[in-house]
Amino acid sequence: NAGVTQTPKFQVLKTGQSMTLQCAQDMNHEYMSWYRQDPGMGLRLIHYSVGAGITDQGEVPNGYNVSRSTTEDFPLRLLSAAPSQTSVYFCASSYSDLGWVTDTQYFGPGTRLTVL
Amino acid sequence: DQQVKQNSPSLSVQEGRISILNCDYTNSMFDYFLWYKKYPAEGPTFLISISSIKDKNEDGRFTVFLNKSAKHLSLHIVPSQPGDSAVYFCAASEGSGGSNYKLTFGKGTLLTVNP
Repeated sequence: NAGVTQTPKFQVLKTGQSMTLQCAQDMNHEYMSWYRQDPGMGLRLIHYSVGAGITDQGEVPNGYNVSRSTTEDFPLRLLSAAPSQTSVYFCASSYSDLGWVTDTQYFGPGTRLTVL
Repeated sequence: DQQVKQNSPSLSVQEGRISILNCDYTNSMFDYFLWYKKYPAEGPTFLISISSIKDKNEDGRFTVFLNKSAKHLSLHIVPSQPGDSAVYFCAASEGSGGSNYKLTFGKGTLLTVNP
């Protein structure tokens, strides 16, 4: 298993450009989440999904869109990039065992995004 | 307003000694707590967790203590090893089952274990 993969690893954008951060997992996990980590800050939840076709907003959703058309993929779209979106983005997945969401949330290696 | 606080940005200990990392929370609805470890240029990895119905959970060298009345938890690492050097994040969630896809994280504590 590759686990959780994220592409690209690094990206530089200009203000106003759009792009999609890719996230895929091959563990058949129902739950997937996107977090951002800023310097000196913890991870903050952007959006999450509890299954294909179901998404919801986290703590900091503004400026981002998500969709979940398959169990495996959970892309994060930046509609019009702003310097405030310069951050490291982590995707994560997890599963439930008999209705109990397990401890282990598997994180991808992250995408480092710079918006100029 | 930060709901999960790790007030020590860094901690340095000698190899073989105990490392104690602290975490405070303000949201009384949190009922599941987790610790994650993060190396540079990698994603966080799950370390240990505790439910609010317990006050202690152990896994090898790692023990997490929860004091609900004080809204405080701590992670003890005994004995500390140089490979434990990393950033440690405290995280919390609401609701039965942990809902670990909706975590609130602290800012992290950089642990350095010196040989």
